[in-house]
Amino acid sequence: ETGVTQTPRHLVMGMTNKKSLKCEQHLGHNAMYWYKQSAKKPLELMFVYNFKEQTENNSVPSRFSPECPNSSHLFLHLHTLQPEDSALYLCASSQESARGIPQPQHFGDGTRLSIL
Amino acid sequence: DAKTTQPPSMDCAEGRAANLPCNHSTISGNEYVYWYRQIHSQGPQYIIHGLKNNETNEMASLIITEDRKSSTLILPHATLRDTAVYYCIVRVDGTQGGSEKLVFGKGTKLTVNP
Repeated sequence: ETGVTQTPRHLVMGMTNKKSLKCEQHLGHNAMYWYKQSAKKPLELMFVYNFKEQTENNSVPSRFSPECPNSSHLFLHLHTLQPEDSALYLCASSQESARGIPQPQHFGDGTRLSIL
Repeated sequence: DAKTTQPPSMDCAEGRAANLPCNHSTISGNEYVYWYRQIHSQGPQYIIHGLKNNETNEMASLIITEDRKSSTLILPHATLRDTAVYYCIVRVDGTQGGSEKLVFGKGTKLTVNP
C-alpha cells in the first residue's frame, strides 16, 4: 500500500470515447504528477501540479487534459485518443517545498490503458 | 534525457548481495542520487537517496564515490521479491522552488535466481 490509489486499474476504450483516470493520495502531499510508461520506453513525465497549480506540461497533446480540484485528487481526462496512447499511466505525489532536500515521489500502481 | 548510465541487466543468487552500479559523470554539486525500483505490474517504489555521504536504510545501502561520478546500490541479502527494474536518477535540490522532475532512464533489470 503506497498511499496513492489509481482507478480504474485497466481501461479499454475506442478512439472516439471520452474517459477519465482518477488518482487519490492519502499522504498529505502538496504535489501530484502524471507519468506515461509505454512498452519498452522509459517513464515520461506528463504533468506536474504543485499546490493545485499546474507547474509543468511536458509537451503533452491536448487530447490529454489534467484536472487537480484539490491537493489530494488528480484526474486525467481523455478524449479522441490514438492507438499509440496505449500505455500504463502512473500517478505520483510528493511533499515539495521551495527550499531544501527534494522529497521522494510515491507512485500508484497505474492504469493500463488500451486504445482500440 | 536521463543523466545516468546503468547496465541493462544483472543476475544475482538468492541470499547473496546484489550490487547495482550507476554512472552519473555529469552530476552537479546540488544534485542528489535517487534510486527507485519497479516490480512487474506495479508503480515505481522509492528505495533510497543521497548527496555525497553513504546512506543506509531498511531496504538498501547507497555508496557514492568521493568524486560523486558514480554510485552503487547494495541489496545485502537479495530475495526473489527483489526481482525488478532498478532506476538510478539524479535530481536537483529544492532551492530552485517548486517540484522537480524525475527523469527515468531504462534502468537495470535485476533477476534474483533461486
